[in-house]
Amino acid sequence: QQPVQSPQAVILREGEDAVINCSSSKALYSVHWYRQKHGEAPVFLMILLKGGEQKGHDKISASFNEKKQQSSLYLTASQLSYSGTYFCGTDDNNNDMRFGAGTRLTVKP
Amino acid sequence: DAGITQSPRHKVTETGTPVTLRCHQTENHRYMYWYRQDPGHGLRLIHYSYGVKDTDKGEVSDGYSVSRSKTEDFLLTLESATSSQTSVYFCAIRTGGTGELFFGEGSRLTVL
Repeated sequence: QQPVQSPQAVILREGEDAVINCSSSKALYSVHWYRQKHGEAPVFLMILLKGGEQKGHDKISASFNEKKQQSSLYLTASQLSYSGTYFCGTDDNNNDMRFGAGTRLTVKP
Repeated sequence: DAGITQSPRHKVTETGTPVTLRCHQTENHRYMYWYRQDPGHGLRLIHYSYGVKDTDKGEVSDGYSVSRSKTEDFLLTLESATSSQTSVYFCAIRTGGTGELFFGEGSRLTVL
C-alpha cells in the first residue's frame, strides 16, 4: 500500500521554509526521501531508520516517528534548486519499497 | 554511481503486442525493482526481485511478468500491451550500505 504524502503541491519564494509529510498504515523499518527533477530519474536524498532518528544535510532535514509511522521532510531557506517533486519511500522490512504520490515543490525568485 | 541502464528508452507499440523492457546493472546488487510512474500516482511498484529467479509482486502487477535469470538483468514483460500501460517505467537497484535506491533513466512506453 502506498504511503500518503501531503501536501500534493506547494509554491514558495526563495528563502521560505516548507514541510512535506509522509504517513503509512504499516509498521515501518525505514523511510526514504527522493527528489525528482522534470524529465529525470528520482535521486536519493536521505534514509531514516527505525529508531526515531532525525537526519539532514545542507538545509534539508527529516524526522521519523516510528510509533506513528510518519516522517516529515523539512526544507529551510529554500533555493531555486530545491524545485522538483519529492517522494517518500517506505520499507516495512520486506524490501518491497513503496512510494507516495509525490509533492510538487516550486520555488520562485 | 551505480551502473544501471534501461532499454529501450522510448518505445511506441500497438495494443495487443508483447513488449519487454530490460534493466541491466553492472554491479552485483541483490535487489532490483520495476516501477511505473503516472501523473497523480507517483511511483507504483510493479514487481521486484531479491535474487536470481526470486521475484515477487508489487501493488500493480496485473498484466506484467518479470524474469531474472542473471544477477545483472531484470526483465519486465507486457504479454499483451494495453493503452492503460502507457507510462514511464523506472528500474531501480538497492545499493548496499545505506540501502538507497538508485534509479535508471526510465523507459517511456506508449501503447496506441
